[in-house]
Amino acid sequence: GENVEQHPSTLSVQEGDSAVIKCTYSDSASNYFPWYKQELGKGPQLIIDIRSNVGEKKDQRIAVTLNKTAKHFSLHITETQPEDSAVYFCAAGGSYIPTFGRGTSLIVHP
Amino acid sequence: EAGVAQSPRYKIIEKRQSVAFWCNPISGHATLYWYQQILGQGPKLLIQFQNNGVVDDSQLPKDRFSAERLKGVDSTLKIQPAKLEDSAVYLCASSLGRRDRGQNYGYTFGSGTRLTVV
Repeated sequence: GENVEQHPSTLSVQEGDSAVIKCTYSDSASNYFPWYKQELGKGPQLIIDIRSNVGEKKDQRIAVTLNKTAKHFSLHITETQPEDSAVYFCAAGGSYIPTFGRGTSLIVHP
Repeated sequence: EAGVAQSPRYKIIEKRQSVAFWCNPISGHATLYWYQQILGQGPKLLIQFQNNGVVDDSQLPKDRFSAERLKGVDSTLKIQPAKLEDSAVYLCASSLGRRDRGQNYGYTFGSGTRLTVV
């Protein structure tokens, strides 16, 4: 089955800095890569996704890049704000159910 | 649109007792999922329904867990008997995507039920 590794497990940044979270996957058949944000006491919320026919996608302050050859994808958050503090999960899937990474706890200090 | 509704929000039970969780997905979403999220980990799929049929239950501990989706809408997940290691947040999610059509869309998750087994 698919195996998704996510790093780092914890990321601490100052407000206004950029944050980057990286994930690798094992199954070359994976073609769908969503990212979720989970705030305390809530379920994960989809924030951006990318498909394997696209190398990069942006939505305001967040962007995701995909390198199919290396089997890794990354989430980039620019101009971080305290409300960005949460746990972020990457996932990789294809004809099967997406497998989630273990999560990155992002802390943005004011 | 209304989100995915789950109840109860919290449940504390003793080991060997039984418990049930309820989920109402977003209207029109054919696919419904139950996930188990242990503290500090990512969600792990337990079971997937498409309409009222089970698509994937390969990771469901069938000796103690069961789930059903009534009339292709609401779903219940039951644990009987519960073990200490079942302590986790149980998340329900729904999606427009249909696996039989090879569709992959993002999920909408509910807020989850936090289960503590003592």
